[in-house]
Amino acid sequence: NAGVTQTPKFQVLKTGQSMTLQCAQDMNHNSMYWYRQDPGMGLRLIYYSASEGTTDKGEVPNGYNVSRLNKREFSLRLESAAPSQTSVYFCASSDERVRNTIYFGEGSWLTVV
Amino acid sequence: LAKTTQPISMDSYEGQEVNITCSHNNIATNDYITWYQQFPSQGPRFIIQGYKTKVTNEVASLFIPADRKSSTLSLPRVSLSDTAVYYCLVGGKKYGNKLVFGAGTILRVKS
Repeated sequence: NAGVTQTPKFQVLKTGQSMTLQCAQDMNHNSMYWYRQDPGMGLRLIYYSASEGTTDKGEVPNGYNVSRLNKREFSLRLESAAPSQTSVYFCASSDERVRNTIYFGEGSWLTVV
Repeated sequence: LAKTTQPISMDSYEGQEVNITCSHNNIATNDYITWYQQFPSQGPRFIIQGYKTKVTNEVASLFIPADRKSSTLSLPRVSLSDTAVYYCLVGGKKYGNKLVFGAGTILRVKS
């Protein structure tokens, strides 16, 4: 049981480049999330998906797009990367049957130069 | 959303009991309170969850007063490995699963 899997783990981008962070969960959870965490800071919600086929903005959605491809997969896309998007990105999923306990992936370290 | 407020940081020594309090004045009737622990370079992981009164598991205890406007995470006899950031999260289906974390509390355990 892998839980929440993110790829890639590390990535360096040049300003203006695009990329997609992939996330998959094997726990049959309905809800999935993307958070970012800047050095020494807390977690900030970028986008979330309460169920397959739906996505909603979180606290800091600007500069990002998401796709809930199916129940398992939730991807995060940076269309034109900026140095301010240098951060650690965490994907997560939750099970509302267990009072929305959240399970996190291991994180993706993104540096934009 | 139920906004949460925690102390920014706390220091303790090995073997002591540590209590971290979270304030959530506008908690909704159906909201649960969940605490997470995050080590450097890792995603947060679940510690404990409760609705009211007291909950205890093998890792911690959670105390919630009758008005549920605050909660206290209690870590018994901490060790150096308990040095981490602790987050309290209040949420439920009322917010459409929009789960927003507060700033968290940095706990430093010293020898």
